[in-house]
Amino acid sequence: DAGVIQSPRHEVTEMGQEVTLRCKPISGHDYLFWYRQTMMRGLELLIYFNNNVPIDDSGMPEDRFSAKMPNASFSTLKIQPSEPRDSAVYFCASSPTGRKTQYFGPGTRLLVL
Amino acid sequence: AQSVTQPDIHITVSEGASLELRCNYSYGATPYLFWYVQSPGQGLQLLLKYFSGDTLVQGIKGFEAEFKRSQSSFNLRKPSVHWSDAAEYFCAVATNTGNQFYFGTGTSLTVIP
Repeated sequence: DAGVIQSPRHEVTEMGQEVTLRCKPISGHDYLFWYRQTMMRGLELLIYFNNNVPIDDSGMPEDRFSAKMPNASFSTLKIQPSEPRDSAVYFCASSPTGRKTQYFGPGTRLLVL
Repeated sequence: AQSVTQPDIHITVSEGASLELRCNYSYGATPYLFWYVQSPGQGLQLLLKYFSGDTLVQGIKGFEAEFKRSQSSFNLRKPSVHWSDAAEYFCAVATNTGNQFYFGTGTSLTVIP
């Protein structure tokens, strides 16, 4: 099993640019989670999906952030326009139904200049 | 509301010494409890989990944790720490009604020779 796959692993962009982060969950997992990790705020849940449907997006910081899951094997987190305060590590995690345990990807380190 | 408290921000131990990382949770019913480890620049790796049954659970890398309902605690222990255990450790709780995790703020472990 390849685990949760995230791309890119590192992203450096300039303020105002659009950023798209990608995630491929573990095959067969019905839940997908997006987290943001910063020194100041720790791990924050941004949004999570069940069977490709967004269940709770209350953690999405503002309208500049959007997430989609067009199919069971792919999700994106988009920031448009990006700002320096969006600099963080973004993690994707997946979980099988009824199992509770979340499996994390390696993360995407985003730096917005 | 559910919450997790890790009272120790940073702990330093000597290699070979025993380790205990504290975790307290707030939840009205029996929680699902987890410990994750994050090495520098890496994602979160599951160390162990408690769902039910034996309150002492064994995990990977020689770690164990004990669920104490009366103290609302789930402390992580290791009898002899190795230099490679230096990392950030996160405690998390999931409720029995949802798939969201509530993470603690983490404990950073330094191991000195």
